[in-house]
Amino acid sequence: GQSLEQPSEVTAVEGAIVQINCTYQTSGFYGLSWYQQHDGGAPTFLSYNALDGLEETGRFSSFLSRSDSYGYLLLQELQMKDSASYFCAVSLRSNDYKLSFGAGTTVTVRA
Amino acid sequence: DTEVTQTPKHLVMGMTNKKSLKCEQHMGHRAMYWYKQKAKKPPELMFVYSYEKLSINESVPSRFSPECPNSSLLNLHLHALQPEDSALYLCASSQEGSGSYEQYFGPGTRLTVT
Repeated sequence: GQSLEQPSEVTAVEGAIVQINCTYQTSGFYGLSWYQQHDGGAPTFLSYNALDGLEETGRFSSFLSRSDSYGYLLLQELQMKDSASYFCAVSLRSNDYKLSFGAGTTVTVRA
Repeated sequence: DTEVTQTPKHLVMGMTNKKSLKCEQHMGHRAMYWYKQKAKKPPELMFVYSYEKLSINESVPSRFSPECPNSSLLNLHLHALQPEDSALYLCASSQEGSGSYEQYFGPGTRLTVT
C-alpha cells in the first residue's frame, strides 16, 4: 500500500507565504498531484510533478524530490479565497488511473 | 467546455429505495471515476472506467453498481444502502490515466440515507 502525510491545519495572514509538505511511502511512485477543495465544493487540480524540481503556476508552486519521497505546495501572496483544503495525491506506475489522496491540509487565511 | 455535471445535487433515500446518480462530461475524456467523500476526509476512489470498461473496483459493496452507457455518461446505481453510506459522491474524468492528466471533478451529489 501507500501512505501520505501532510499537516492537518495551517493558519496564516493575507499576503503571507504558506508551504504544505507532503511525504509519501509507496512503491512504484509515478507522480504527485495537488488538489484544492473549498468547503462545499469539488476538488480542483492545482499541479502535478513527476520529475524532481519546482513547477510554478502563478501564485502557487509545487516541488518534488523523488529521492526524499517528499513534495510541497507553496502558496504565495495569500488571499482570503485561498482558505480551503489542500490534498496531495500519488499515482503509481502499476495503476496509472488511481489517485491515492493524503488526509488533506486545511488552510485558513486571516485578515 | 471543461465541466463535469452531476445530478441530482442532493438525494435523500431510505434503506429500501433504489436510486441512481448521474454524471456527464463532454471533454472527450476516456477515463471516468466515482469517489466517495465523507466530511473532513479525502475523496476515496470507488470505481474507474477506462474506455467505457470497468478497470478498477476498490472492493466496493455490491449495493453500489456502476454503469458506463457511453463515453460521456457514468451512472451509479444505489440499492439497499446503509446510513453509513451517507456522503458526498463525486464523479471525475480525465483525458487518460490520472498519473499524467488532471482529473476534473463534478460538484457532487450529497446523499443522505435514512
